[in-house]
Amino acid sequence: GENVGLHLPTLSVQEGDNSIINCAYSNSASDYFIWYKQESGKGPQFIIDIRSNMDKRQGQRVTVLLNKTVKHLSLQIAATQPGDSAVYFCAEKDNAGNMLTFGGGTRLMVKP
Amino acid sequence: GAGVSQTPSNKVTEKGKYVELRCDPISGHTALYWYRQSLGQGPEFLIYFQGTGAADDSGLPNDRFFAVRPEGSVSTLKIQRTERGDSAVYLCASSHHGGYSSPLHFGNGTRLTVT
Repeated sequence: GENVGLHLPTLSVQEGDNSIINCAYSNSASDYFIWYKQESGKGPQFIIDIRSNMDKRQGQRVTVLLNKTVKHLSLQIAATQPGDSAVYFCAEKDNAGNMLTFGGGTRLMVKP
Repeated sequence: GAGVSQTPSNKVTEKGKYVELRCDPISGHTALYWYRQSLGQGPEFLIYFQGTGAADDSGLPNDRFFAVRPEGSVSTLKIQRTERGDSAVYLCASSHHGGYSSPLHFGNGTRLTVT
């Protein structure tokens, strides 16, 4: 939606650098995780997902790491570009697989 | 291909009025979700449909909120006696099926402003 990220933690990176966005989750029953990107005025856009039987998954320029021991999820973006500027949310599903619960979000700002 | 479509994109209404928000999911997606997003927050779950039936409505805040999906495709979120606290972006999402490892695909939302 509009003005997403107004009160969110912000990560500022230089264009071309790698970005790491972190997320902690609390539900030990969560076993499917998704990262979404949300630009101002738009809905969340699917980036990458990972199941709990994996600890790493790679996509195009993105990698998601899952550490179930400490309930931590991270999104790594390689060679960050200005178009990557947005708010990033992690989301989790429990083993019933119905409801997706979102974390608080991080605003990524890419400096040219 | 066409994504999730939500109309209207913006809606301004007066306190106490009734509003309807529409969602057209991706064709063939059996699962449909409504979320609400306040400024600076992540989306919050409202209700989930599997086909025509509401499989989980535990996120609806009170009985002023109601949603339908009569033919298992288009859904309408209805809010009665709107209050200023209902102002938010209402997001709709669909997925191929509602189960595990089926990612949700979101529309761009309807921004509701209650004056």
